[in-house]
Amino acid sequence: DTEVTQTPKHLVMGMTNKKSLKCEQHMGHRAMYWYKQKAKKPPELMFVYSYEKLSINESVPSRFSPECPNSSLLNLHLHALQPEDSALYLCASSQSGGPGETQYFGPGTRLLVL
Amino acid sequence: AQSVTQLDSQVPVFEEAPVELRCNYSSSVSVYLFWYVQYPNQGLQLLLKYLSGSTLVESINGFEAEFNKSQTSFHLRKPSVHISDTAEYFCAVSPGTGGFKTIFGAGTRLFVKA
Repeated sequence: DTEVTQTPKHLVMGMTNKKSLKCEQHMGHRAMYWYKQKAKKPPELMFVYSYEKLSINESVPSRFSPECPNSSLLNLHLHALQPEDSALYLCASSQSGGPGETQYFGPGTRLLVL
Repeated sequence: AQSVTQLDSQVPVFEEAPVELRCNYSSSVSVYLFWYVQYPNQGLQLLLKYLSGSTLVESINGFEAEFNKSQTSFHLRKPSVHISDTAEYFCAVSPGTGGFKTIFGAGTRLFVKA
C-alpha cells in the first residue's frame, strides 16, 4: 500500500473557527511532512516530523499547530486563520527523512478561509 | 543552500510530438534530483530521480532525464507525448547529506493538444 490519505478533501472555515486536517499512511514510514501549495505555485514546506518528533518548523505562524500522535498519523490543527491561508494542504511521507528519499504525497485538503 | 529554476512556466505541445522540460539547479554541495508530476486535483507523484550512477534515468511511462553536472541541469524529456501527460511537472533537489528539506522549482505546466 503506497497510499497517503488525507481528510477532509475540502474545508471551508471562518476566521474564528478551529478545525483539524488529518493525514494517515500505512507504509511504515517514519518521516511525515506538511506542505502548503497556493494555486500555480510549488509546494512550500511547513513542518517535518521524524520518528514522531518535530524536526523542522519553517517559521510557520502559530495559528498552525502540527501533531504526530503516532508513526502513522499526522494532524494539522488550525485556529484563527486568515484568508491568505486559503490553499491546498498536502501531506507526504518518506521512509525516514534521509536524503534522496522519495516522498509520497496525499491528494491534499483544499482549504478556504472566509 | 540549494535552488531550482524551471525555465518554462508553460509548454504547449501537440500529441505525439517530443517535449523537453528544462530544469537547472544551484548548490554548493552534492544533491539528489527529482521530477514530480501533479495531475489536476491530485497530490504530487514521483516521476523519476537521480541519486548516483548512470546519469540517464528513466520512468515507467516513457519519460527520461539526464543529470549534467557541468551544466547543473536535469532536463526531462519524452519522445512522444500523450494527452494524458497534461499535468504540472516539478523539478526538485535535496542535499546529498543531512537535512530533510526538498526544494521544489516553480513548476512547468505541460499542455498536450490533440
